[in-house]
Amino acid sequence: GQNIDQPTEMTATEGAIVQINCTYQTSGFNGLFWYQQHAGEAPTFLSYNVLDGLEEKGRFSSFLSRSKGYSYLLLKELQMKDSASYLCAVRDGDYKLSFGAGTTVTVRA
Amino acid sequence: ETGVTQTPRHLVMGMTNKKSLKCEQHLGHNAMYWYKQSAKKPLELMFVYSLEERVENNSVPSRFSPECPNSSHLFLHLHTLQPEDSALYLCASSQDPSSGANVLTFGAGSRLTVL
Repeated sequence: GQNIDQPTEMTATEGAIVQINCTYQTSGFNGLFWYQQHAGEAPTFLSYNVLDGLEEKGRFSSFLSRSKGYSYLLLKELQMKDSASYLCAVRDGDYKLSFGAGTTVTVRA
Repeated sequence: ETGVTQTPRHLVMGMTNKKSLKCEQHLGHNAMYWYKQSAKKPLELMFVYSLEERVENNSVPSRFSPECPNSSHLFLHLHTLQPEDSALYLCASSQDPSSGANVLTFGAGSRLTVL
């Protein structure tokens, strides 16, 4: 079966940096995704990694190590609007995207 | 209308009722998905349609019945549900599942409560 683990909750201060880790054990691997979901809203796409290394998009960066089954999402210069759930997901086939349970990030003033 | 639209946003039904959830995408995508999101649990893939053909059925009970009449519309028909089926049902679409990153675009979900 698929196993994707990420912390349940994290809290950080406005302006700080937070790193959300994700480890996975899946039957196949065709890429790793991060999605952001605000309460009561649709998940929205943040990043995609298929090769090892760091992908940077503004304040958000995502890292992948395929040999370690490990990824992280780095959120820099935290803003109040970054308070949300962050979902790690692994694509292990054409159609199948397996998700972790999500990490709720709370940003405090 | 843009993106992925789901109706109704909230639904309360009894265990003997029959209801349907509707999803519409205005993105010209070729694949559509139903996911179930329960509190503190990972999103569970239920069904996938690609070019209106069902390509994935993830061991979902028969009380959930999907329908995809065309590439823009997806329904989830519900009958004789159980209280444990109460959850957020998310619809998503993607351009082409067989190539590239296959990024999913999600709707805001239909919050279902079964009494």
